[in-house]
Amino acid sequence: ETGVTQSPTHLIKTRGQQVTLRCSSQSGHNTVSWYQQALGQGPQFIFQYYREEENGRGNFPPRFSGLQFPNYSSELNVNALELDDSALYLCASSEKGSPEQFFGPGTRLTVL
Amino acid sequence: GQNIDQPTEMTATEGAIVQINCTYQTSGFNGLFWYQQHAGEAPTFLSYNVLDGLEEKGRFSSFLSRSKGYSYLLLKELQMKDSASYLCAVSRSNDYKLSFGAGTTVTVRA
Repeated sequence: ETGVTQSPTHLIKTRGQQVTLRCSSQSGHNTVSWYQQALGQGPQFIFQYYREEENGRGNFPPRFSGLQFPNYSSELNVNALELDDSALYLCASSEKGSPEQFFGPGTRLTVL
Repeated sequence: GQNIDQPTEMTATEGAIVQINCTYQTSGFNGLFWYQQHAGEAPTFLSYNVLDGLEEKGRFSSFLSRSKGYSYLLLKELQMKDSASYLCAVSRSNDYKLSFGAGTTVTVRA
């Protein structure tokens, strides 16, 4: 059984660019949640996907969007990057209705 | 909205006990979580409390009082490897969309 994986590990972009981050959920998990963790802060909930549909969204602007695929892997897309988007982006997978979420190692995004 | 407070830093000696407090104010409550996060790594699940009381799991215990909006994580027999950030998080529904506190950095000294 493989755990949650994310790619890429690190990424450097400039303001105004677009970025796509990827997450492969743990085997058997149909729910993926994305979080943004700024340096020295706790993770902030961005959105959750269940069976390819968005299932709730945190306080993030529409330029943050996502997808979930039939194999339950997921993408996070961020358009028109801003300096404040620099953070660690974490995805977590779980079975629907299960409280235990398994986090991936994260993607460190730096916006210059 | 949500407000989740926990101390920023704590220091303790190897073999000692440390208690990390967390207070929360949320519109709706489904459960309280504790996660451990080593520097540069992903958070890992430690505990989940739904009902009032103490849940013990090896060296780690977690307590919840729903009426007081209060939880603590107790780490016993501290080891150097316990040096990490400890995150308190609340879910408002059984979709488990977590709201995290800023984390408490615990440093264990020899």
